[in-house]
Amino acid sequence: GAGVSQSPSNKVTEKGKDVELRCDPISGHTALYWYRQSLGQGLEFLIYFQGNSAPDKSGLPSDRFSAERTGGSVSTLTIQRTQQEDSAVYLCASRRGEGEQFFGPGTRLTVL
Amino acid sequence: AQSVTQLGSHVSVSEGALVLLRCNYSSSVPPYLFWYVQYPNQGLQLLLKYTSAATLVKGINGFEAEFKKSETSFHLTKPSAHMSDAAEYFCAVSKRGSTLGRLYFGRGTQLTVWP
Repeated sequence: GAGVSQSPSNKVTEKGKDVELRCDPISGHTALYWYRQSLGQGLEFLIYFQGNSAPDKSGLPSDRFSAERTGGSVSTLTIQRTQQEDSAVYLCASRRGEGEQFFGPGTRLTVL
Repeated sequence: AQSVTQLGSHVSVSEGALVLLRCNYSSSVPPYLFWYVQYPNQGLQLLLKYTSAATLVKGINGFEAEFKKSETSFHLTKPSAHMSDAAEYFCAVSKRGSTLGRLYFGRGTQLTVWP
């Protein structure tokens, strides 16, 4: 597609529920990144994919967070047993080679 | 370890005035440096980047930034602010020579432009 797309744009969930956030990178971009943007912590790196593998998942805050990427394209970030502190905007970015990262519009997650 | 400090979480200028947003980095080796802009409810858009060429980098929308190794700084400037420049600006670094490419962001500076 023309740019990175993310869905849903907004997600409201109850504490303890699981959520899945989706990222569609720009076609042909082999690198994919997830970041989290929150008032208290600013912009934080979560995980990096090169193709379908994740050589750097050091930013995932707990084992409730996981992500996968299939077919070298779409990625899903899953948060299990959501907590209120998970409320944030989750941003996805993709990159081809060593070029710039292109960001999607984000998914705003609110945990009640 | 990489870290980025943006001095001033909020900057206000009048339309037509100089914009100066400050960014300092901490890294054992000069990193790649970036400035991103974020408009409300949108993702991040790259304004400009420094990799290894000229130390004065020109970006979109009339912005530019100068890499100063001696000061470990990469301040963003624009000679004349426009109302449409009101947004949040993020300075970021990535580790030179790393294929991982993860970005380390500053806390952001909210720019307000007064008419």
